[in-house]
Amino acid sequence: TQLLEQSPQFLSIQEGENLTVYCNSSSVFSSLQWYRQEPGEGPVLLVTVVTGGEVKKLKRLTFQFGDARKDSSLHITAAQPGDTGLYLCAGEVSSNTGKLIFGQGTTLQVKP
Amino acid sequence: GAGVSQSPRYKVAKRGQDVALRCDPISGHVSLFWYQQALGQGPEFLTYFQNEAQLDKSGLPSDRFFAERPEGSVSTLKIQRTQQEDSAVYLCASSLLGAVNQPQHFGDGTRLSIL
Repeated sequence: TQLLEQSPQFLSIQEGENLTVYCNSSSVFSSLQWYRQEPGEGPVLLVTVVTGGEVKKLKRLTFQFGDARKDSSLHITAAQPGDTGLYLCAGEVSSNTGKLIFGQGTTLQVKP
Repeated sequence: GAGVSQSPRYKVAKRGQDVALRCDPISGHVSLFWYQQALGQGPEFLTYFQNEAQLDKSGLPSDRFFAERPEGSVSTLKIQRTQQEDSAVYLCASSLLGAVNQPQHFGDGTRLSIL
């Protein structure tokens, strides 16, 4: 069974602080995706990383895929209250179906 | 709208009743996925369709769960003889092709509560 361990599960910080969320597995994934989910809504894709060692930036968000394609991290610089939400990593387990295995999620609260 | 549409948004049923959850994917999307999400947790894969073919149902918790997509578009997830542990949000997602790097577009889910 392929599992994705996401940490921390909960994070409450002040506006302006930096944070990092980790996503780890013993399995290799063909790609890894990060989603953000608001209450009452479905997950929305933020980024997909495919190549080992790949780094992608989306404004204040930096995503990294581990060299062995088993782990990933999401770093947010100068967090804002609008960043509050549930962050999910998801690994693509097969290259011909798109089936995703999700981590448990990180609930982020950014206080003004 | 052009997104994935799920109905109903909320469903309350008594234990033992049957329920049916509907998913309208984005037009033209070949792949359709169902996930189950417990409160504060990540979604868990239930089943996958490519057009009308159900290619993977390994995540369905029991034989009380049944999904279909008879014409390769709209899909229905049916749960028979519901139990309290079936209470969760059921998410549907579609993608253009079932292939690597194809983004999945999620609906807003159906929140199912079993009393």
